[in-house]
Amino acid sequence: DAKTTQPNSMESNEEEPVHLPCNHSTISGTDYIHWYRQLPSQGPEYVIHGLTSNVNNRMASLAIAEDRKSSTLILHRATLRDAAVYYCILRGALISNFGNEKLTFGTGTRLTIIP
Amino acid sequence: KAGVTQTPRYLIKTRGQQVTLSCSPISGHRSVSWYQQTPGQGLQFLFEYFSETQRNKGNFPGRFSGRQFSNSRSEMNVSTLELGDSALYLCASSSMPLAGGGHEQFFGPGTRLTVL
Repeated sequence: DAKTTQPNSMESNEEEPVHLPCNHSTISGTDYIHWYRQLPSQGPEYVIHGLTSNVNNRMASLAIAEDRKSSTLILHRATLRDAAVYYCILRGALISNFGNEKLTFGTGTRLTIIP
Repeated sequence: KAGVTQTPRYLIKTRGQQVTLSCSPISGHRSVSWYQQTPGQGLQFLFEYFSETQRNKGNFPGRFSGRQFSNSRSEMNVSTLELGDSALYLCASSSMPLAGGGHEQFFGPGTRLTVL
């Protein structure tokens, strides 16, 4: 099953861009790359997702490598409110109904913003 | 449009008891998924229901079960509680099943379960 690998933690200065990496070397052709984030004491919230092309929305940008084996979530100008745990997950056709790793978020990257 | 709601928000139980948690999805959403979040294991998938049918199941023992009603509201039950079941239980809704991949999930605030 395809899974993702992210650094455990990252730090960034306020008002600077942040690039959060994610590796997914066993991604399949039908897998979407999703990013969620979880602020302290809240449930996760959707950030962005994409399949092959780079994507932009009001929260962030998603840059997908040409071979799709990695991606980067870009926060263009980090604020203190962006301090959260960021999860990179794959969503796509499921092979089996049991213990499928695509359905688990894992531990993500804890992003700390330095004022 | 109201978000995903979960009740109760906090719960304290003792070992051996059972517990039922409730989740009301966003209006019109038919997919409801449940997750367990603990500091060491992160956010682990429990199961997904779509149109009253269990579509996917994570790697949890049979003590964890769920169901979905015709109005898409879902309940999760844990029987014979163990200390290790202490966690934040999150519910998420989506307009389509998780298989397929192109739809986002909306999470509720979670139910904090403490087992003593």
